[in-house]
This record gives sequence, C-alpha cells and structure tokens, in this order.
Amino acid sequence: GAVVSQHPSWVICKSGTSVKIECRSLDFQATTMFWYRQFPKQSLMLMATSNEGSKATYEQGVEKDKFLINHASLTLSTLTVTSAHPEDSSFYICSAGGLAGYADTQYFGPGTRLTVL
Amino acid sequence: DAKTTQPPSMDCAEGRAANLPCNHSTISGNEYVYWYRQIHSQGPQYIIHGLKNNETNEMASLIITEDRKSSTLILPHATLRDTAVYYCIVSLSGSARQLTFGSGTQLTVLP
Repeated sequence: GAVVSQHPSWVICKSGTSVKIECRSLDFQATTMFWYRQFPKQSLMLMATSNEGSKATYEQGVEKDKFLINHASLTLSTLTVTSAHPEDSSFYICSAGGLAGYADTQYFGPGTRLTVL
Repeated sequence: DAKTTQPPSMDCAEGRAANLPCNHSTISGNEYVYWYRQIHSQGPQYIIHGLKNNETNEMASLIITEDRKSSTLILPHATLRDTAVYYCIVSLSGSARQLTFGSGTQLTVLP
C-alpha cells in the first residue's frame, strides 16, 4: 500500500520549452501533496505544498509563475516547469500525505529527472 | 521543526546490525522522530517513526533516549540493498506536515 507514482521518470527538453510532471497516489487519497527538488549530491529541498482544490503554497525563493502546480483531485498533482532553462535541470520528487490506514506521514514518488539542454 | 545532526557516513558489514545515530537536542514535546532512506536516484522511502517509546517494524527498530534528545535507527541484519542515505527528521505528526531534510548519513553495507 501507499504507492506514489510519477510520470515521466525522466525527460530531456530544449531550453525555453515547458515540461509537465505528474504525481499520482495509486492506492490512497492524498489531500496534501508536496514537491521537492534535489540537485546532485545535495539533499531534498521543498519547493511547494499543495492541497486538493486550493492554490499551492511555495517556499521562499521558488517562483510560482515558473513552477506551476495543480492539485485538481485527491490522487493527482502536476508540476509544470515553464520556459525551462539548464539551471532547472534537477531531480524532482513528489510526495503525498497518507490518510487513515497508513502511517501518518508522507510517501514519496520515484522522482523525475529533468535535463534541460 | 527541530534540527537534527547525523554523521555524514558509516560503513557496516553485510549481515551485521547497522546502528545509525541522530541527535535532536532541541526537539519539542509534541515532535516525532521520522526516519527515511533514499537509495541512489530514487525517491525517499519511509522507514519508521516514533514519539518517545521504542518502535519496531518489519524494516527497522527505533530507539529514542529517555530525554528524547537523540535516537538510533537499527537495521538488524544489513544487506547490500540497505546501502542508502538515511535521513532523520523531526516533525510534528501528520501527513500534511512539511518534512525538512538534512544531509543525512550515507550508509554503505560492505560484502
């Protein structure tokens, strides 16, 4: 139980294009989803917190117009990196807050590696 | 959330117990200790969490000192697949709470 998937697992795009990453909770409903970014040899950094049906809350220094987050249902959240640039290349990881029946914590997706050329 | 301190790296022989320490001297009374691990190029995996009592599940045991200022994660019989970065995180309970990841401990299980 408590499975979170991400799609795609990796993506390569040209500078200036937009990329959408999906995060799904497969066997539970997640009212809260989180998006993290991880650069090589560094720890995870929280980018934003999204609650189903409401606007995401972004961490300081994260541009909300560049990283668009949509959490339209209890099982799906999307992160769109708009006008991507090489410095946006990173490992993007989502997590979903589990509800009753699982440990009261977050469960993480496998991550999406974005490379911007 | 309280800050945690972990050694940057540890080695453990395969089949032996791996004991990973974590200091969290500023933990508050209602904060839990969570442990996650991240195998290379994967998302973090939840291991265990606890408030003040020792906890055990199929993956590991968590020993929290009486003053709650430190804890130890124990992998009873480490395998090569346990090689990962282990993160100790202190947070209020609840799946909607933010988790702040430190630098963790790189555990390398040696054959």
